[in-house]
Amino acid sequence: QSALTQPASVSGSPGQSITISCTGTGSDIGFYNYVSWFHQLPGRAPKLLIYDVSQRPSGVSNRFSASKSGNTASLTISGLQGDDEGDYYCVSYTTSSTRVFGGGTKLTVL
Amino acid sequence: EVQLVQSGAEVQKPGAAVQISCKVSGYTFTDYYIHWVQQAPGKGLEWMGLIDPEDGVTIYAEEFQVRVTITADTSVDTAYIHLSGLRSDDTAIYYCATGPRFLQWNHWGQGTLVTVSS
Repeated sequence: QSALTQPASVSGSPGQSITISCTGTGSDIGFYNYVSWFHQLPGRAPKLLIYDVSQRPSGVSNRFSASKSGNTASLTISGLQGDDEGDYYCVSYTTSSTRVFGGGTKLTVL
Repeated sequence: EVQLVQSGAEVQKPGAAVQISCKVSGYTFTDYYIHWVQQAPGKGLEWMGLIDPEDGVTIYAEEFQVRVTITADTSVDTAYIHLSGLRSDDTAIYYCATGPRFLQWNHWGQGTLVTVSS
């Protein structure tokens, strides 16, 4: 199972919106509505931002939204803030019952 | 409060084996799968496998099927991952994670650093 494809890096200015894509195949993202997104700061465990494609856990800001179209999932962060910096990962369920992560995207707030 | 507490850092020689534990509290251990995730230094997250503590059923990523064994002991609410035939590229932080739905991993362990060095 190959890793999902994410851009290596994205950047934006405070207050702007950015979108991170996560491209898979018809055997993972395209088949199920089971995609999650995580944010990771250096030296910390990942934090869940989104599950089931577009659901936010309680306590996660509504500045984070997500969707899916075909084999590609997307995470949008609006109103960028400095503490949004870090690494973002998508993960999908697969037809083999395994899970597969994206390679990760480093977000820089300019 | 849900907590996942992992065992401490390990230093092992190439060819050796290591076992990491993940003790859970704050919920019924058999209600949720436990997943294990590897993160090599400066690299991304890689899903290794999972266990259903209720029946012990495991699923592994193809890359880890041969050298990894995941177990669970319901008497002590603890999951374990055993990695054998260690290589230098197994040097990584290993996390356990859990949550109520397929990928709703809202609880993570603190991570365990395994260093493989001669």
